[in-house]
Amino acid sequence: GENVEQHPSTLSVQEGDSAVIKCTYSDSASNYFPWYKQELGKRPQLIIDIRSNVGEKKDQRIAVTLNKTAKHFSLHITETQPEDSAVYFCAASLLSGYSTLTFGKGTMLLVSP
Amino acid sequence: DVKVTQSSRYLVKRTGEKVFLECVQDMDHENMFWYRQDPGLGLRLIYFSYDVKMKEKGDIPEGYSVSREKKERFSLILESASTNQTSMYLCASSREAGREAFFGQGTRLTVV
Repeated sequence: GENVEQHPSTLSVQEGDSAVIKCTYSDSASNYFPWYKQELGKRPQLIIDIRSNVGEKKDQRIAVTLNKTAKHFSLHITETQPEDSAVYFCAASLLSGYSTLTFGKGTMLLVSP
Repeated sequence: DVKVTQSSRYLVKRTGEKVFLECVQDMDHENMFWYRQDPGLGLRLIYFSYDVKMKEKGDIPEGYSVSREKKERFSLILESASTNQTSMYLCASSREAGREAFFGQGTRLTVV
């Protein structure tokens, strides 16, 4: 089955800096890669996703890049703010059949004012 | 807005008790999931269901069972709770297999 590795496990940045979280996946058939943000005490929520037919996707200060050849994808957050502090999870799946999301172990991002 | 609601935020049970965790979604989603969240281990899939009365094992099904008698409701059952089942349990639903999942608020279960 699919295996998703996520790095780093913790990341501390100063407000205004950029943050990058990286994930690798094992199943070359996977074609859907979402990112979830989980604030302290709250449920995980989707913040951005990308399909395998696209190399990059942006939404304001966040972007995701995908390298299918190398089987890795990354989340980029620019101009970080304290409210970006949360645990971020990457995931991978195949959009067909009875597929399920396989999650990485998460990255705790701390943005200091 | 999709709403996935779990019946309890916090639960304390004794070792050996039978425990029911309930989850209801209001968006007519076919797919429902139960995850367990532990520090450093991320989200691990326990069981999932693609249709009423249908269930499939996830990555860590041992010690758990599920029930899906109605489309909107998915229950996780701990037949005989043990201390190593102390964890945060998250229910989720999705419209398509493998697609965006909407999570409930979680149930923090403590087994003493």
